[in-house]
Amino acid sequence: QQQVKQSPQSLIVQKGGISIINCAYENTAFDYFPWYQQFPGKGPALLIAIRPDVSEKKEGRFTISFNKSAKQFSLHIMDSQPGDSATYFCAASYTDKLIFGTGTRLQVFP
Amino acid sequence: DVKVTQSSRYLVKRTGEKVFLECVQDMDHENMFWYRQDPGLGLRLIYFSYDVKMKEKGDIPEGYSVSREKKERFSLILESASTNQTSMYLCASWGTGEVRQPQHFGDGTRLSIL
Repeated sequence: QQQVKQSPQSLIVQKGGISIINCAYENTAFDYFPWYQQFPGKGPALLIAIRPDVSEKKEGRFTISFNKSAKQFSLHIMDSQPGDSATYFCAASYTDKLIFGTGTRLQVFP
Repeated sequence: DVKVTQSSRYLVKRTGEKVFLECVQDMDHENMFWYRQDPGLGLRLIYFSYDVKMKEKGDIPEGYSVSREKKERFSLILESASTNQTSMYLCASWGTGEVRQPQHFGDGTRLSIL
């Protein structure tokens, strides 16, 4: 019930393409869904987050799509760039703790 | 700017040693967290603290303890290090009352137990 399942584990995308990472959860009490981005040698940093009362949130090239009935949410990276190459973690929270997905390593090739 | 500082980037210790990992935050945050990060397993919560001298077990507390004597400092202790504790350790902090604000992470300590 506390798990957040993330897929794929790794993703290779051509520059300019769309990167899509999916997450699913079971606990309907979760009320905050952030995505973190982690570059090698650095700690994760918040990229974008959504509350379950909206179905989509967009910030620049990054969009979260949220499907409350399916208990799924996804990160879309439009016009993917080599600088987007990083590990991405989805997470969910309903208290002061975050439950993280297992991570997706994204590689964007020129 | 927000800063969470972990005292060591790399650490090599021997089996059976007592190991201390230190974390300091400069944001006056009440909440601090220790995670370990392993490939394919994501970030798993070891311990967290809501206030000075308070601590709560996370999902994988076995073999670890913590200390929070001052608000800005949260230490992770490996009582008797074992090889299965070789991992990346991440510290994070989070302010109370900041409705769904991000957790701020340090850059991690890569610990190797030989």
